[in-house]
Amino acid sequence: DTGVSQNPRHKITKRGQNVTFRCDPISEHNRLYWYRQTLGQGPEFLTYFQNEAQLEKSRLLSDRFSAERPKGSFSTLEIQRTEQGDSAMYLCASSYTSGDSYEQYFGPGTRLTVT
Amino acid sequence: AQSVAQPEDQVNVAEGNPLTVKCTYSVSGNPYLFWYVQYPNRGLQFLLKYITGDNLVKGSYGFEAEFNKSQTSFHLKKPSALVSDSALYFCAIIMDTGRRALTFGSGTRLQVQP
Repeated sequence: DTGVSQNPRHKITKRGQNVTFRCDPISEHNRLYWYRQTLGQGPEFLTYFQNEAQLEKSRLLSDRFSAERPKGSFSTLEIQRTEQGDSAMYLCASSYTSGDSYEQYFGPGTRLTVT
Repeated sequence: AQSVAQPEDQVNVAEGNPLTVKCTYSVSGNPYLFWYVQYPNRGLQFLLKYITGDNLVKGSYGFEAEFNKSQTSFHLKKPSALVSDSALYFCAIIMDTGRRALTFGSGTRLQVQP
């Protein structure tokens, strides 16, 4: 169990550019979540997958955001035409839906700065 | 509306003293409650959870939390604080047992002074 990993850890981009983040969950976990955390706030839910199916997207996730989880393993989050308001920490978490194992395990996050 | 609240932005405590970080919630149905800790430049780490059963739950690093249904609270406690406990603490709740997404409070910064 190597934990949840995220790449890159930091990304600085200019407004209008596209960016893509990757998340590798804990291998046996079937659920994968994306959250966004801004300074001084708790993380906010963006979307989640069960295996390869994206089951829900928050209304926080505009049309410029897209997420995939091909083959039910790693996931990518892409932001098109970035805006300064997209600057935040993007967190990935994974979990295994069995019994009362509701806890999620988080990666270190990708900090996005849009200039 | 369903929510979770952390009324204190910061808690200061001296090393060796007991600590409490407060959390209250509002949810219809049975609550699923969690505490996470966030250290600088690191991800959120799971501390403990309440799903059902005993109101006092024990977790990692000597932390425990008490579920109080009548007061709709889930306060985090530790009998003796360490300087290394200084971090940002988040209370979270699952409101939908289908999607199981976490809804977080705004966080409480714990500062333990030597």
